Amino acid sequence: DGGITQSPKYLFRKEGQNVTLSCEQNLNHDAMYWYRQDPGQGLRLIYYSQIVNDFQKGDIAEGYSVSREKKESFPLTVTSAQKNPTAFYLCASISGDWHYGYTFGSGTRLTVV
Amino acid sequence: KNEVEQSPQNLTAQEGEFITINCSYSVGISALHWLQQHPGGGIVSLFMLSSGKKKHGRLIATINIQEKHSSLHITASHPRDSAVYICAVRWGGAQKLVFGQGTRLTINP
Repeated sequence: DGGITQSPKYLFRKEGQNVTLSCEQNLNHDAMYWYRQDPGQGLRLIYYSQIVNDFQKGDIAEGYSVSREKKESFPLTVTSAQKNPTAFYLCASISGDWHYGYTFGSGTRLTVV
Repeated sequence: KNEVEQSPQNLTAQEGEFITINCSYSVGISALHWLQQHPGGGIVSLFMLSSGKKKHGRLIATINIQEKHSSLHITASHPRDSAVYICAVRWGGAQKLVFGQGTRLTINP
């Protein structure tokens, strides 16, 4: 079945370390997105990519980096520069014409210890 | 101030009740999405609409473009409907959505 796979589901990181969250889709979607969710707040956009080898900053990109070397993959690196990285991270994708709704991954819960 | 406002923030009801969740936005949009997030965190897209009304099973979504308002209705609610329901909008040719804060729905048996 087509979908988005995020891994791992739970991730613990020591303060000062970089960590990479995986997002893979087999939907042949052009655009992919990374969102952050904090308790009591709406999803906030970190980065998005509309085509391979191109990506744009979202509203809260500081302390994060991404790459889009393949259409299927859009990994997110949470760097040590991110001041408050503990959160729930969601990856999403959509086809280019927006005719169908978003498809979301199941999320990764990152905790800094 | 969030440009997408949902109400209520929390809603508790008894099984079988008719549920309405509201979403208001500040300027004209090209599309509005209703999403469902279960306790595990995964999000499912329920509807995408730009006008009128859509129905899927016990779920109905309506949008009034002039009033900049959308509603999500659940008929014959069931405990398995308990989740957070999120409204999100897309403006013009923008390639991203702006999300409401979500409505936490609890249906008691």
